[in-house]
Amino acid sequence: EPEVTQTPSHQVTQMGQEVILRCVPISNHLYFYWYRQILGQKVEFLVSFYNNEISEKSEIFDDQFSVERPDGSNFTLKIRSTKLEDSAMYFCASRVDSNSNQPQHFGDGTRLSIL
Amino acid sequence: GQSLEQPSEVTAVEGAIVQINCTYQTSGFYGLSWYQQHDGGAPTFLSYNALDGLEETGRFSSFLSRSDSYGYLLLQELQMKDSASYFCAVTRLGGKLQFGAGTQVVVTP
Repeated sequence: EPEVTQTPSHQVTQMGQEVILRCVPISNHLYFYWYRQILGQKVEFLVSFYNNEISEKSEIFDDQFSVERPDGSNFTLKIRSTKLEDSAMYFCASRVDSNSNQPQHFGDGTRLSIL
Repeated sequence: GQSLEQPSEVTAVEGAIVQINCTYQTSGFYGLSWYQQHDGGAPTFLSYNALDGLEETGRFSSFLSRSDSYGYLLLQELQMKDSASYFCAVTRLGGKLQFGAGTQVVVTP
């Protein structure tokens, strides 16, 4: 069964450094999402992306965050200058179309640790 | 405001039935989804309700009452592997998911 893949599985970065988290959504999916989950807390929406542009973003997704689909397969999340509070699990998800009956498929996540 | 409420933990024995309730308060409601998460791994889709009523998928069933802003997930014939966190999530306009805080299900022998 096709799946969403994320790399790296764990990223350790010094505060203030830039980090790029990578995702390969399922190939025929059109809608892409990033979520984060701080340890022990709920999963929080960050951003949705469709047709090469951001559809919606949350309050968490400030100017330090950006997303890009540089080619036909990758979907990246960049944090320009990381802060301690960015430490979390980051999940990428994709959905095949706009039908709300279609589920979002999640990757295994990238654990981001900011020192 | 916008919120989802679900119990923090439920404990049950193997073979039992567990019901996880979820109440929500949100705008732009399209449907209610349920996801399973083992030890901080990938949330895995279990079920989705857009309309009132019961959806059955094997040992798992999900129910929705839009007028009551309420849903539940029913886990039947509990197995040890069902020990995990279960999240209800509202699907909102644009497809984004708004998650509840999760219910930790502990299955004991």
